[in-house]
Amino acid sequence: AQSVTQPDIHITVSEGASLELRCNYSYGATPYLFWYVQSPGQGLQLLLKYFSGDTLVQGIKGFEAEFKRSQSSFNLRKPSVHWSDAAEYFCAVLTTDSWGKLQFGAGTQVVVTP
Amino acid sequence: SAVISQKPSRDICQRGTSLTIQCQVDSQVTMMFWYRQQPGQSLTLIATANQGSEATYESGFVIDKFPISRPNLTFSTLTVSNMSPEDSSIYLCSARTDKNIQYFGAGTRLSVL
Repeated sequence: AQSVTQPDIHITVSEGASLELRCNYSYGATPYLFWYVQSPGQGLQLLLKYFSGDTLVQGIKGFEAEFKRSQSSFNLRKPSVHWSDAAEYFCAVLTTDSWGKLQFGAGTQVVVTP
Repeated sequence: SAVISQKPSRDICQRGTSLTIQCQVDSQVTMMFWYRQQPGQSLTLIATANQGSEATYESGFVIDKFPISRPNLTFSTLTVSNMSPEDSSIYLCSARTDKNIQYFGAGTRLSVL
């Protein structure tokens, strides 16, 4: 069965420290990959996407993600976290065999401490 | 990109009543969707809103409870009917462009008393 896994439910990071959020997917082919962020009381905002080409993609707010086909992973990173990065982060995939549905991971809650 | 306006942003409703949520996209999109998000949870797809025809519902969601309309390419409504406290949730409208990028509205926070 197709699935998207975010292994970390909750991450606490100090302001200024680096952040990495993990995402693994289970599909036969390379899907379209997305990271979204949801700040408290807000909808989902698209951070970045990967469709093809360069496996390291840059997004908004200083985030980047790297696609690794061999590991079926699409991890999100930020070199230096700001207090405003505290939010819920969702990995999502869109596959050619399910064009109708964007599959979401369970989400990772990021807490930023002073 | 697509900017999605959703209203109301929040509401408090009485048991047994219905609420209609509106979703307006600022550009033509290929597909529109409605999601539900329980507190602290991920998103659950309710249905795909089809232009000019009946929506396509996911397992566990039925038209009588969640009637959906999409009269044109940029507008859709979701009605939550005969509400109970279990319907308290965040309801999110979403739209996918022809570039296969999906955008979301800010959500409607519904509390049912």
